[in-house]
Amino acid sequence: AQSVTQLDSQVPVFEEAPVELRCNYSSSVSVYLFWYVQYPNQGLQLLLKYLSGSTLVKGINGFEAEFNKSQTSFHLRKPSVHISDTAEYFCAVSGEGTYKYIFGTGTRLKVLA
Amino acid sequence: DGGITQSPKYLFRKEGQNVTLSCEQNLNHDAMYWYRQDPGQGLRLIYYSQIVNDFQKGDIAEGYSVSREKKESFPLTVTSAQKNPTAFYLCASSIGVGRREAFFGQGTRLTVV
Repeated sequence: AQSVTQLDSQVPVFEEAPVELRCNYSSSVSVYLFWYVQYPNQGLQLLLKYLSGSTLVKGINGFEAEFNKSQTSFHLRKPSVHISDTAEYFCAVSGEGTYKYIFGTGTRLKVLA
Repeated sequence: DGGITQSPKYLFRKEGQNVTLSCEQNLNHDAMYWYRQDPGQGLRLIYYSQIVNDFQKGDIAEGYSVSREKKESFPLTVTSAQKNPTAFYLCASSIGVGRREAFFGQGTRLTVV
């Protein structure tokens, strides 16, 4: 079975500071990992994905994530956040041979002026 | 533009009534999904469909029903058997087995009055 853990439910950070949102997963098969962003009352938008290859993945809006197989982690980072990054962020896992996507409980990022 | 359309955006239902949420995609995706989102609980899978005329229960299927008569459409019916239907419902689609991201609609907020 697959599962995803986002330990931080809320992360406050000042504008222009760096941020890291943590994601850990468990899976018995090869994994595909995703980060999505959700603004209030909207659907989810893909930020970035890891399917294979380089473990450092760059996405939209200056975000990046690093796949660490030994630590079963896929943490999301941004070196300098903006007010507009205030949103909820979801980590998700899928796997070889499965149609299902398993989502974490989300991390609410609040960027302070 | 290709995408997923959910309608309506807001829906009010009286207790004891069934209600159907619409989801249409023009991405030519084989797989479609319904998720329920509640605060602090992330996204929970209700039903998914890998192909026309086939669908499987997700983690919280009780009180819900679906159909997949056409590739582009995957409507969700919230029945009177669903004890706590007030939530944000998200429809998604993907090209197929695991190795691709899911694309999301803008969601339907259902409120029982």
